[in-house]
Amino acid sequence: EPEVTQTPSHQVTQMGQEVILRCVPISNHLYFYWYRQILGQKVEFLVSFYNNEISEKSEIFDDQFSVERPDGSNFTLKIRSTKLEDSAMYFCASSATQRGGYTFGSGTRLTVV
Amino acid sequence: KNQVEQSPQSLIILEGKNCTLQCNYTVSPFSNLRWYKQDTGRGPVSLTIMTFSENTKSNGRYTATLDADTKQSSLHITASQLSDSASYICVVVDNAGNMLTFGGGTRLMVKP
Repeated sequence: EPEVTQTPSHQVTQMGQEVILRCVPISNHLYFYWYRQILGQKVEFLVSFYNNEISEKSEIFDDQFSVERPDGSNFTLKIRSTKLEDSAMYFCASSATQRGGYTFGSGTRLTVV
Repeated sequence: KNQVEQSPQSLIILEGKNCTLQCNYTVSPFSNLRWYKQDTGRGPVSLTIMTFSENTKSNGRYTATLDADTKQSSLHITASQLSDSASYICVVVDNAGNMLTFGGGTRLMVKP
């Protein structure tokens, strides 16, 4: 069964550093998403991406965050200057249609120290 | 503000027993409602997707119900297994399909 692949599975970074989280969505999917889950809390929407542009973003997704689809397969989330409160599990998801089933990746656990 | 509330927060049942998890939502306009299973440290895995016109949908031992009038959904798990131990998350999708609103989940533990 097709999977969404995320790398790395765990990243530790120092406060103020830039991090890039990588995702390889399912190949024929057109809609891409990033979500995060702070330990013990709900999964929160960050951003949706379609046709090479952001279609929706939450208030969490401020100027420190950016997304990119640099080639035909990767979808990245960049955090420009990490803060302690950015520590969370970040999930990438993709879907073939706008309201269709999402497939989530296994997540990247980001720890900011 | 769109909200999804789930109950109970946690539940312990014996293997082989049935259980029902509840979800109330205020998302409007509404496109569909999904139930996900999330193992610790893993991404959510879809169990069911229901549009507003569907009242019930089954996936093996999982049966989801939806009452779009009262904005309530339930997930019934039949003949629970140890591997059912996980968080079960109710997710509501807005009409544009761009944003998912997640409930806080019900943490289910199945004991032998």
